[in-house]
Amino acid sequence: GAVVSQHPSWVICKSGTSVKIECRSLDFQATTMFWYRQFPKQSLMLMATSNEGSKATYEQGVEKDKFLINHASLTLSTLTVTSAHPEDSSFYICSARGTSGSRGKNIQYFGAGTRLSVL
Amino acid sequence: SQELEQSPQSLIVQEGKNLTINCTSSKTLYGLYWYKQKYGEGLIFLMMLQKGGEEKSHEKITAKLDEKKQQSSLHITASQPSHAGIYLCGAVPGGGADGLTFGKGTHLIIQP
Repeated sequence: GAVVSQHPSWVICKSGTSVKIECRSLDFQATTMFWYRQFPKQSLMLMATSNEGSKATYEQGVEKDKFLINHASLTLSTLTVTSAHPEDSSFYICSARGTSGSRGKNIQYFGAGTRLSVL
Repeated sequence: SQELEQSPQSLIVQEGKNLTINCTSSKTLYGLYWYKQKYGEGLIFLMMLQKGGEEKSHEKITAKLDEKKQQSSLHITASQPSHAGIYLCGAVPGGGADGLTFGKGTHLIIQP
């Protein structure tokens, strides 16, 4: 079964509104989670690294004020797309990095993704 | 920055046949991950290879890491319709515990 839950799976919003996406590790604690973005028929591009209890690290070209990341607990990271515009429409996927134990160390387990459509 | 090139980009294979997908890195590989994705869905972890020469198998899928060649291959034996999907290789730049850089994927279609 899924080890990382991502919600919602699909969201449609009006331009200018904000959208929050949740990523939860279900049976392990994840001090580090990652957020990726995928455009149609392209590969995943890392957006940011989310660290529990500290500020997220953003990849070059990703606006931190546009994509707000909060990692408030060891099992939950959220990505908020603020003032969304049509160009933000994409497929967003999170992953949680396993620690030692039942979930392999350094293996990234991915959520099912969130399809965002901004009208 | 590290780049991963996958070949072929797409592959149509008759059910029951074997196939191989390659992933070549522009820089030293410290670890290589293979995932499978169905279009518009999340990624399913297949295998992680960390050492040069390492080979892992799971059911009918075998992956190898050739560190010297900065290359990994994924081999599927006796392909089945359930193997259809997009196969992605990913690597951690610099070998740290960071986010993955992915190849563009290989789209596998299995013909009955």
